[in-house]
Amino acid sequence: GQQVMQIPQYQHVQEGEDFTTYCNSSTTLSNIQWYKQRPGGHPVFLIQLVKSGEVKKQKRLTFQFGEAKKNSSLHITATQTTDVGTYFCAGPITSYDKVIFGPGTSLSVIP
Amino acid sequence: NAGVTQTPKFRILKIGQSMTLQCTQDMNHNYMYWYRQDPGMGLKLIYYSVGAGITDKGEVPNGYNVSRSTTEDFPLRLELAAPSQTSVYFCASSYLGAVEAFFGQGTRLTVV
Repeated sequence: GQQVMQIPQYQHVQEGEDFTTYCNSSTTLSNIQWYKQRPGGHPVFLIQLVKSGEVKKQKRLTFQFGEAKKNSSLHITATQTTDVGTYFCAGPITSYDKVIFGPGTSLSVIP
Repeated sequence: NAGVTQTPKFRILKIGQSMTLQCTQDMNHNYMYWYRQDPGMGLKLIYYSVGAGITDKGEVPNGYNVSRSTTEDFPLRLELAAPSQTSVYFCASSYLGAVEAFFGQGTRLTVV
């Protein structure tokens, strides 16, 4: 069945450093979604990428969807303590399929 | 707009007891999901539904049952609770599988 992997599992950075998490699917995805979960909270949708090679930015966050639509990355520039949390990628194989989540990357930011 | 509402927020069950976790959404979404999240881990799909009257198993369905009699409600039933079911349970909904999913606040369940 479909598998979605993320690396790294954990990342500790000094405030101001950059951070990148990578997402890889065993199958081609219809789209890729990214979610953020703050400690003790619930996952909150950040963004969706649909097109092969697509790049989107949200302030300090840059999201990329691979050419083969099987991988994606999230890059945070100059991390802040407000970036702390777990970042999940997720994607369906087709537009009408269920969404499978990756295991997440937990980000800690040291002030 | 309430979004996705889960009840209860917390529950302690004894081994062998049963309970139903409630989930309701007011966004007229077709897709609804139940995930469990063990401490420090990711989201595991238990069951999902693509519309009223239709349910399907996810990655970890054993020990759980669901029903979807209306578009709004998607309850999760635990029969014969076991310590391995101690987890945080999230219900989510989306218009289609390919679009943004909205999550409830979660139910923290402890089985002792």
